[in-house]
Amino acid sequence: QKEVEQNSGPLSVPEGAIASLNCTYSDRGSQSFFWYRQYSGKSPELIMSIYSNGDKEDGRFTAQLNKASQYVSLLIRDSQPSDSATYLCAVEKTSYDKVIFGPGTSLSVIP
Amino acid sequence: EPEVTQTPSHQVTQMGQEVILRCVPISNHLYFYWYRQILGQKVEFLVSFYNNEISEKSEIFDDQFSVERPDGSNFTLKIRSTKLEDSAMYFCASRGGEETQYFGPGTRLLVL
Repeated sequence: QKEVEQNSGPLSVPEGAIASLNCTYSDRGSQSFFWYRQYSGKSPELIMSIYSNGDKEDGRFTAQLNKASQYVSLLIRDSQPSDSATYLCAVEKTSYDKVIFGPGTSLSVIP
Repeated sequence: EPEVTQTPSHQVTQMGQEVILRCVPISNHLYFYWYRQILGQKVEFLVSFYNNEISEKSEIFDDQFSVERPDGSNFTLKIRSTKLEDSAMYFCASRGGEETQYFGPGTRLLVL
């Protein structure tokens, strides 16, 4: 079983719509969960971190965590063409540990 | 805002040659990491480094790889004898306390 799984996409949404990205992870002991955005040829850029069950909102982004289901999601409201990128879900077992990345979901926001 | 820097941004080398990838972590950070991303694939962990020693390494990080913190600022990844399959983006990351890791811009390595 892969450690972090995501739908590879591509996911296409019209400008202004809500984009929904999903991720599952296999290690129940994971404690920290992240969403990174990666533009082609660039390094991962952290956009959200979440550590406890529930929702966490930051601007147009909302991360949701359900540890019982081993599920993390990211909602992007009012999607913009500049949001077009690959979104990487990542988990960490303990503080200072390595980050384990999923394969990423490619998002395309159509003007 | 402090950032992780990496040099060079691009490196082309011949198979069998040694390469050294350099990183300058954020100045007060104590934990350092190298990751790589082969084109079209996911970001993979290579090694973590703390207190002047390797704290964890992946199966990818074999005897051809080594890391070093030669002075108070640089953190290097050396590949002793490069192979074609070492072609990838290499990312350095660092972290301070319990905050997350900050990634550098990466070095694109091409082995011919």
